[in-house]
Amino acid sequence: GQQLNQSPQSMFIQEGEDVSMNCTSSSIFNTWLWYKQDPGEGPVLLIALYKAGELTSNGRLTAQFGITRKDSFLNISASIPSDVGIYFCAGQLTTDSWGKLQFGAGTQVVVTP
Amino acid sequence: SAVISQKPSRDICQRGTSLTIQCQVDSQVTMMFWYRQQPGQSLTLIATANQGSEATYESGFVIDKFPISRPNLTFSTLTVSNMSPEDSSIYLCSVRLQGATYEQYFGPGTRLTVT
Repeated sequence: GQQLNQSPQSMFIQEGEDVSMNCTSSSIFNTWLWYKQDPGEGPVLLIALYKAGELTSNGRLTAQFGITRKDSFLNISASIPSDVGIYFCAGQLTTDSWGKLQFGAGTQVVVTP
Repeated sequence: SAVISQKPSRDICQRGTSLTIQCQVDSQVTMMFWYRQQPGQSLTLIATANQGSEATYESGFVIDKFPISRPNLTFSTLTVSNMSPEDSSIYLCSVRLQGATYEQYFGPGTRLTVT
């Protein structure tokens, strides 16, 4: 079953505001991935993290791999209407060599003008 | 990354019938995965499909219900057998590119409604 706790479940923000979401687990992960899913589409990979403490940016997105390897967060700065969607964290367990991913429940982001 | 296509993109099927979903990738990949995403929910892994071997199913999913084929390094199919309304979901394939990273890239999904 799902081992990742993703929060918040949803966020209603105004355009221009920053957004922050995180995932935590009791398990240790080798890899953290952040995806965005638009309605009617498959998830799109936003950021991949491979080392504890790693901080990676992709445009207005910034994500960090927690030092304990049990958590990760994603920040979106200066939100715009196209940031609307569902954001999923995903982690690859240290005990899994095939690269199977565990997914969080998702964070629904709604941006109002 | 990779370009992944799925067919059909959506379908409405009757209870008791079967549907085969195709996943095509534009490059050779070692590992392909099939997921189910129920309405408003996260992604649940159904099985991992390696070329040349039987698919490996996750707990709660069985081969008789979700047979998978992986005939080559760019193609896989998932069949949803003897469908019931509870099988109404989005079915997604993903691929892990050859190499050391664990990034997975997803197809657009197949939206299945069972009546």
